Amino acid sequence: QITLKESGPTLVKPTQTLTLTCFFSGFSLSTSQMGVGWVRQPPGKALEWLALIFWDDDKRYSPSLKSRLTITKDTSKNQVVLKMTNMDPVDSGTYYCAHRRGGSISFYSWGQGTLVTVSS
Amino acid sequence: IVMTQPPATLSVSPGERATLSCRASQSISSNLAWYQQKPGQAPRLLIYGASTRATGIPARFSGSGSGTEFTLSINSLQSEDFAVYYCQQYNNWPLTFGPGTKVDIK
Repeated sequence: QITLKESGPTLVKPTQTLTLTCFFSGFSLSTSQMGVGWVRQPPGKALEWLALIFWDDDKRYSPSLKSRLTITKDTSKNQVVLKMTNMDPVDSGTYYCAHRRGGSISFYSWGQGTLVTVSS
Repeated sequence: IVMTQPPATLSVSPGERATLSCRASQSISSNLAWYQQKPGQAPRLLIYGASTRATGIPARFSGSGSGTEFTLSINSLQSEDFAVYYCQQYNNWPLTFGPGTKVDIK
């Protein structure tokens, strides 16, 4: 059974850096074709893809946020970390990590999400 | 690639069939996924490859289309199917989602 869970601060101040950790189980990011991505959702709005890291350490970012994002993995700990710099109130929303299992770049399993509010 | 999902809201009676639309601004072959999201929950993958149901997804959900026009059909709508549905393309980077269609009770 695959599970993912996001962890991080619920409140960050404008200009601060957000660090989110995705803890997962049931698969290994060292296995070919595996990937973990991040998707966010402002309150009442649509889903927005942020970043994705693959088993071979290939990393992809949303172009509109690329300068602010860093995604890394720790395969031995089954963790993926997303850092987003220079946070702004418009970055408030629920942040999800999700599992890409191969065959397509869709997200087969999702974490429950973590709500992040950006406010001074 | 910009994804659109008209209409924003679709009102359907329980037991009826719902037909949801997703359009891509350029051809994405069959590289399309559909997700269902209920209030307060994470999205759930329904369909990938435009027409392949994910594990555990009931047969009343079906996907079709290729190129720029796609459809998600839900036969005999159940109470648990009233939700927001998103399409997502993965033919090109960046991955992009549509704005969603809310299926509500008529």
